Amino acid sequence: AAGVIQSPRHLIKEKRETATLKCYPIPRHDTVYWYQQGPGQDPQFLISFYEKMQSDKGSIPDRFSAQQFSDYHSELNMSSLELGDSALYFCASSLGFGLAGFSYEQYFGPGTRLTVT
Amino acid sequence: DAKTTQPNSMESNEEEPVHLPCNHSTISGTDYIHWYRQLPSQGPEYVIHGLTSNVNNRMASLAIAEDRKSSTLILHRATLRDAAVYYCIRGQAGTALIFGKGTTLSVSS
Repeated sequence: AAGVIQSPRHLIKEKRETATLKCYPIPRHDTVYWYQQGPGQDPQFLISFYEKMQSDKGSIPDRFSAQQFSDYHSELNMSSLELGDSALYFCASSLGFGLAGFSYEQYFGPGTRLTVT
Repeated sequence: DAKTTQPNSMESNEEEPVHLPCNHSTISGTDYIHWYRQLPSQGPEYVIHGLTSNVNNRMASLAIAEDRKSSTLILHRATLRDAAVYYCIRGQAGTALIFGKGTTLSVSS
């Protein structure tokens, strides 16, 4: 079965640079969530989208922005990178309360490991 | 604020049942109880969820207390592949997952 795809899988950036992470949800899934997991930490919710609109916001820094496109893929844009942004970034997808049905489960991708030097 | 409390770690032997407890004493009437697990170097994986009644699926069982202030995830026969961090999360359907400090399960052969 198709899973959530994230690219790139690994990314190395220097301080003050920008980075763009991409997420391709499971086909037919209309909801995307972004989570950040620092070293030795538990995942933290950043932001979510349903049907291309922001649906919820967590502890996402102002330096970060995200959007969901017409094909439901999502991008997380990170600017003025700091050393503390080094983390695993997970994207998850699910079916929202749409006509296609609803899923309680969130399906996570393999993550993008961002290293800021 | 994760709003659930779990033991930091638990140990089990292969092929034995494992009972992972979770306290959520301030749970609201519309909150579901979700369990996810995270294997090393992987993204979290859905295990099971429930609202009021006990639930079973191919991976595990979820026993929910009558007052809903606690629940227990039951792995019927632990395998080495079940070694992971298990997260108990309360929240409404279709909302973001707020992870707390899960339980690290170790399984010995």
